[in-house]
Amino acid sequence: SAVISQKPSRDICQRGTSLTIQCQVDSQVTMMFWYRQQPGQSLTLIATANQGSEATYESGFVIDKFPISRPNLTFSTLTVSNMSPEDSSIYLCSVFGQGQHEQYFGPGTRLTVT
Amino acid sequence: GDSVTQMEGPVTLSEEAFLTINCTYTATGYPSLFWYVQYPGEGLQLLLKATKADDKGSNKGFEATYRKETTSFHLEKGSVQVSDSAVYFCALSDQGGSYIPTFGRGTSLIVHP
Repeated sequence: SAVISQKPSRDICQRGTSLTIQCQVDSQVTMMFWYRQQPGQSLTLIATANQGSEATYESGFVIDKFPISRPNLTFSTLTVSNMSPEDSSIYLCSVFGQGQHEQYFGPGTRLTVT
Repeated sequence: GDSVTQMEGPVTLSEEAFLTINCTYTATGYPSLFWYVQYPGEGLQLLLKATKADDKGSNKGFEATYRKETTSFHLEKGSVQVSDSAVYFCALSDQGGSYIPTFGRGTSLIVHP
């Protein structure tokens, strides 16, 4: 299994500002994933981040709004830019387990935009 | 495309009651199936999985059987505890594709003493 940590665990931000969320994994992984979980909703995949290449964004998500960095095989950041109250969500980082049969998740970052 | 449908919650039970959370899926290939659990204030944790038809996944007293004929993967537990209160997500992963899972909407379980 993989152990994943995220920083910050929660934040309250003002409209129009940006927040960068960090994700650290205790082992080297090829792919890292960023999800959004809006209140009472399921998980929505934002993007897949591979080390050494541009992130691949899902429909409805764009790089200007959610820039992602992946500087090495154990770390990634997701920035939520020019925030609005609609961005209030839990943001989760995840990686595949061995054999890609399951995913492991970080504890999440709880973002509230006022 | 692939999809997962879960029963709506919240499901409210008394301690030691029997639990069933229904999950059905639609997939073009032969997916692997999962149940994840999210305890209050935490991220998702894998609860159990099954990778082929008729497999039974089990963990912490929870069970689910991969039923290809009914495209279902219902979660069951014989006697729930207050500590089982959480949100449960059914998910599938297409093993012939990207492996990235498709999640259901989640079912909230509330267990009262």
